[in-house]
Parts: sequence; C-alpha cells; structure tokens
Amino acid sequence: GAVVSQHPSRVICKSGTSVKIECRSLDFQATTMFWYRQFPKQSLMLMATSNEGSKATYEQGVEKDKFLINHASLTLSTLTVTSAHPEDSSFYICSARERGGNSPLHFGNGTRLTVT
Amino acid sequence: AQSVTQPDIHITVSEGASLELRCNYSYGATPYLFWYVQSPGQGLQLLLKYFSGDTLVQGIKGFEAEFKRSQSSFNLRKPSVHWSDAAEYFCAVGLSYGQNFVFGPGTRLSVLP
Repeated sequence: GAVVSQHPSRVICKSGTSVKIECRSLDFQATTMFWYRQFPKQSLMLMATSNEGSKATYEQGVEKDKFLINHASLTLSTLTVTSAHPEDSSFYICSARERGGNSPLHFGNGTRLTVT
Repeated sequence: AQSVTQPDIHITVSEGASLELRCNYSYGATPYLFWYVQSPGQGLQLLLKYFSGDTLVQGIKGFEAEFKRSQSSFNLRKPSVHWSDAAEYFCAVGLSYGQNFVFGPGTRLSVLP
C-alpha cells in the first residue's frame, strides 16, 4: 500500500538552529501534503497545507516565517523550523494525499523534535 | 465551524472486555468520518472510515463504528479488547476523502491484563 516516509524520526537541536523535516510519498504522487503538530496529550493541530508548486497555506496562528514549508516535487515536502526554541519542541506529523478525486490520506510516522 | 468532540479523555478496560469510544461532530452536512489510532511515538493508522451507505462500518483489527445521523455520532466499538489495543484514538471528520481533517482531542485507551 501507499507509504509516507518522514525523516528524521527524532531530532535534538540547540536553540537558535534550524531543523528540516522531510515528508516523502514513496510509491505515489502527492499533490497535497499536510503538516500537523501535536502537543503532549493533545490532538493533532493542522499547521499548513502544502500544494506542489505553490505556496503553502498556513493555519491561523502559525508563523510562516518560522515554519517554512516547501513542496518542490510531487513526492517531497519539507518543513523547516527556523531559529528553533524550546517551545517548538513537539511531535510533527505529515500526511500526503494521492492524486485523484477519491484518494486517501496517508500519514508519516512523525518526527519528535527536542530543542535544548 | 465544524468541530469534533470525544467526551472521554482516558478509558481503562480489562483485556477481553468490550470497548466503545465516543465521537460526536458538528458539521453543516454529513461529513466523511474516520477513526485513527496512534501508538506511542508512532504516526496515525486508519482504522475505518464512513462515506455513505451502510451505517455500520467494519475496520481493521476487529474494530467497527456506527454512524448515527440523528445523534451526530460515530462511535467506535470492539467486542473484545487486546492488550495491543492500548493507544490513543482519534476521531476525525472531513469534507471529502482526502480533504484535510478536523480531529477530535483523542481518547487514550489503557488495557489491564
């Protein structure tokens, strides 16, 4: 079945540095990818919707300059957390939708980001 | 605006007991309905979905869910819980299959041996 690979699964970085998270659709083309953030013991919060070849659409309250999203190809979207701070520590999950009007969403396994 | 509620934050059941996780939604029309499971540190796995037709939906791992339009509910059930079912369960609604979703807050399931 369709697989979404998210890398890295865990990352620890220092405050002020930037971290890039990749989301790849391995055996299908994804016209749309979504990025979610999960705070401890809370539900997933949609951060942004990424469409291939166009700018991402960010949800209210999400800083687009801090969370840079690039969807350069039909199989890859990246989320870059710039100038990371400890409060950015969280679990980030991506999902990708296959082409086609009745296509499912597939989720990556998530990335645990810890900012020290 | 659409919303999804899962009234139970945490449920504990004994292995072999039956399970029902509640989900209620508020939507302008009948949405597409989903249940996902997330094991600790893992991504989401789709358990089952409802688009139309038979209101009782069968999913993976022995789960089923029933859509009740009059109650705006989509409760998840399993007749006999296994220890491996301990996880967090999310109900989600969307405008269409693949449309980004509104997730419920999740219900954490603990299973006693």
